[in-house]
Amino acid sequence: DADVTQTPRNRITKTGKRIMLECSQTKGHDRMYWYRQDPGLGLRLIYYSFDVKDINKGEISDGYSVSRQAQAKFSLSLESAIPNQTALYFCATSDGDRNNEQFFGPGTRLTVL
Amino acid sequence: AQSVSQHNHHVILSEAASLELGCNYSYGGTVNLFWYVQYPGQHLQLLLKYFSGDPLVKGIKGFEAEFIKSKFSFNLRKPSVQWSDTAEYFCAVNEGYGGATNKLIFGTGTLLAVQP
Repeated sequence: DADVTQTPRNRITKTGKRIMLECSQTKGHDRMYWYRQDPGLGLRLIYYSFDVKDINKGEISDGYSVSRQAQAKFSLSLESAIPNQTALYFCATSDGDRNNEQFFGPGTRLTVL
Repeated sequence: AQSVSQHNHHVILSEAASLELGCNYSYGGTVNLFWYVQYPGQHLQLLLKYFSGDPLVKGIKGFEAEFIKSKFSFNLRKPSVQWSDTAEYFCAVNEGYGGATNKLIFGTGTLLAVQP
């Protein structure tokens, strides 16, 4: 969905490096989410934010941090990347109504060597 | 904690075969249910969703799903698959309206390969 963009789309980095993945949306949604996808494990929630002042840990937040710079921007950081953080990372948004349908970005493929 | 089970991890079908992918969830209260599809190299797209009303939900591309509350199930079906249906399919659940967190819980996915 072009309304949710992620940069970079691909990144290769080395163990110990700091990495930031960025997500922007033009849907006007309050809620934003970061997931990682691993083969056979589906999508797992890392962090989520229901508005600019609200940040919450998901099920696998260790080793990650986030920043909600504005309603439209939600960044995910790996302070010191490790190889088992190699995965496909997705950002998603929702408008918080009763439906909670989430709209996904194109993903960032991160490889940590 | 809520959980979502997709029992079929990898399904291989020939074109025109019928498809049914299983999905079971653990939450006993009001739920919203979703099926997402991820085509090769692409992001997740919504296939269909159930919030309330008719338990038989029709989605895009000829897919449908049936919510059976007594079985905690939301199986995805398509009468006749096409090669272009080759993708990974994810079932997801969240607590219904008024739920505390409104987070989606995803299943582990089913990889469907349709042979021409």
